[in-house]
Amino acid sequence: DVKVTQSSRYLVKRTGEKVFLECVQDMDHENMFWYRQDPGLGLRLIYFSYDVKMKEKGDIPEGYSVSREKKERFSLILESASTNQTSMYLCASSLGAETNEKLFFGSGTQLSVL
Amino acid sequence: GENVEQHPSTLSVQEGDSAVIKCTYSDSASNYFPWYKQELGKRPQLIIDIRSNVGEKKDQRIAVTLNKTAKHFSLHITETQPEDSAVYFCARGLGGNQFYFGTGTSLTVIP
Repeated sequence: DVKVTQSSRYLVKRTGEKVFLECVQDMDHENMFWYRQDPGLGLRLIYFSYDVKMKEKGDIPEGYSVSREKKERFSLILESASTNQTSMYLCASSLGAETNEKLFFGSGTQLSVL
Repeated sequence: GENVEQHPSTLSVQEGDSAVIKCTYSDSASNYFPWYKQELGKRPQLIIDIRSNVGEKKDQRIAVTLNKTAKHFSLHITETQPEDSAVYFCARGLGGNQFYFGTGTSLTVIP
């Protein structure tokens, strides 16, 4: 079974801090994604990557960056955290052999920015 | 545009009744429509999907219907059980691997 692991379940940070959210998948998936989940807004795509060192902006990339130095790891970076970035962050991966593939999600990181 | 409108936002049904959740979209290039279920405190998981060349797909108590002309698709759950209580997200894909998600429906099945 595919395992997508997010390093922290809960995280509390201060405004202006640099924040790293880590995601690791163990099934050699090509594609990795970062979503944020907010009540009433559903899941919104922040960034995604189809290959190592490759990244593409999603729908709401402002205030975020990403890093994919290794195939299994996709990091989301908040350069200077702000209170409006308080949210649930979900990492996901998919195989990458075809289009429209099933997403495997991590358990999420609930980030609070104070 | 990119949005997928999902209704209702909350739904309560008696155990054994049916539940229907509807999503509409505007981009006619959409060709893939998955549904994800997220139980409380857990990760979203794919429960069923449909591609644009099919009008209906069924998997036990769950079915999805697609009306490409009207640009809407629906999730139908029959004989609901308490374990069906969750948040359900529809989504649409355009042939890549990015999906646009709906805003979610919180389904409560009352025993």
